[in-house]
Amino acid sequence: GAVVSQHPSWVICKSGTSVKIECRSLDFQATTMFWYRQFPKQSLMLMATSNEGSKATYEQGVEKDKFLINHASLTLSTLTVTSAHPEDSSFYICSARPPSGSFYEQYFGPGTRLTVT
Amino acid sequence: DQQVKQNSPSLSVQEGRISILNCDYTNSMFDYFLWYKKYPAEGPTFLISISSIKDKNEDGRFTVFLNKSAKHLSLHIVPSQPGDSAVYFCAAMGGSEKLVFGKGTKLTVNP
Repeated sequence: GAVVSQHPSWVICKSGTSVKIECRSLDFQATTMFWYRQFPKQSLMLMATSNEGSKATYEQGVEKDKFLINHASLTLSTLTVTSAHPEDSSFYICSARPPSGSFYEQYFGPGTRLTVT
Repeated sequence: DQQVKQNSPSLSVQEGRISILNCDYTNSMFDYFLWYKKYPAEGPTFLISISSIKDKNEDGRFTVFLNKSAKHLSLHIVPSQPGDSAVYFCAAMGGSEKLVFGKGTKLTVNP
């Protein structure tokens, strides 16, 4: 089956620093990748949709200058949390859709736990 | 405003019995519904889906029922097995590729 990896699986950073999270599709090419955020006891919330080679589309309320998304290749998308603050502490999870996939088809990575101190 | 609601945070059943997980939605534009299963330290994996033109979809031990008038769907697992213990997420789509998730229900199947 389709495998999506994320790196790192968890990260602790100091307030004011930036953190980069990588999302890779290991055995398929992903023209579309999605980034979600999940706070404790809450649902996964879509942050942005990224298409390879173009700018990401952000959901309402998500600051594009704070959460920088780069989908530079068909197998890699990165999310950079800039000038992180404690309220950015959350579980970040990506998903990827193969180009031949159905409209609902998304394969999820294992997630990255970010803690900002 | 939570558009997809899973009101039971947890459910415990005995092995061999039926597990019923429920999901309600508020947005009438949703026309496709999915269930995902998530084990600890892993991403959600697709389990089963249903289009709004159907009221039932079955795949092995898993059946999803949709009641459009009540804006309610349920996932039935029969018979339940200990390996089914996981968090189950209900998700919905409507008019776009965006998935809207519920908060999840943690299912525990006791041997």
